[in-house]
Amino acid sequence: DMKVTQMPRYLIKRMGENVLLECGQDMSHETMYWYRQDPGLGLQLIYISYDVDSNSEGDIPKGYRVSRKKREHFSLILDSAKTNQTSVYFCASRDRVYEQYFGPGTRLTVL
Amino acid sequence: GDSVTQTEGLVTLTEGLPVMLNCTYQTIYSNPFLFWYVQHLNESPRLLLKSFTDNKRTEHQGFHATLHKSSSSFHLQKSSAQLSDSALYYCALSASGYNKLTFGKGTVLLVSP
Repeated sequence: DMKVTQMPRYLIKRMGENVLLECGQDMSHETMYWYRQDPGLGLQLIYISYDVDSNSEGDIPKGYRVSRKKREHFSLILDSAKTNQTSVYFCASRDRVYEQYFGPGTRLTVL
Repeated sequence: GDSVTQTEGLVTLTEGLPVMLNCTYQTIYSNPFLFWYVQHLNESPRLLLKSFTDNKRTEHQGFHATLHKSSSSFHLQKSSAQLSDSALYYCALSASGYNKLTFGKGTVLLVSP
């Protein structure tokens, strides 16, 4: 069964703290994504990773960075989190026929 | 850049009535891939259907859509709404290189008895 996992599922941080969101997939997909979802704005692309150490900015990369050291694992890092980064974050991976599989999401609150 | 415009906001329907959610897109590329994703409450988005072929109807789970390149449209339809269809629906476009999905802002469909 194809699966994308995300950890943690819920996270509360204070402004200025660092945040690490982790994503894993067991499908050997090359391409992975990080999105954030906000009411009225839909899904916005933060970063794309084409494979290990091959990452590209999406539409809203400011304030975020990513790391992909293994194909099955993709991390999103917020250095010094801001209150406007409160959101639901989804990781996804893409198969060879262009379908994206989404993880369960991480609900991040920055106080 | 690429963009997707959907029926915005909330669509409310009575069970049994037909569903039509509009989606139009803009891209400079001639062979776009169009998708509908559905997200039920407290779940993650999942693919509902997709199409690459002009003027060919695509069906899945009672929903259907036809990509019309002439009008840059990919409307989602269903003949009879069910309570379980209540969800957030996203239309999405993939064009250059097919690595990136551009999502519309989403339409909430609420089906009532």
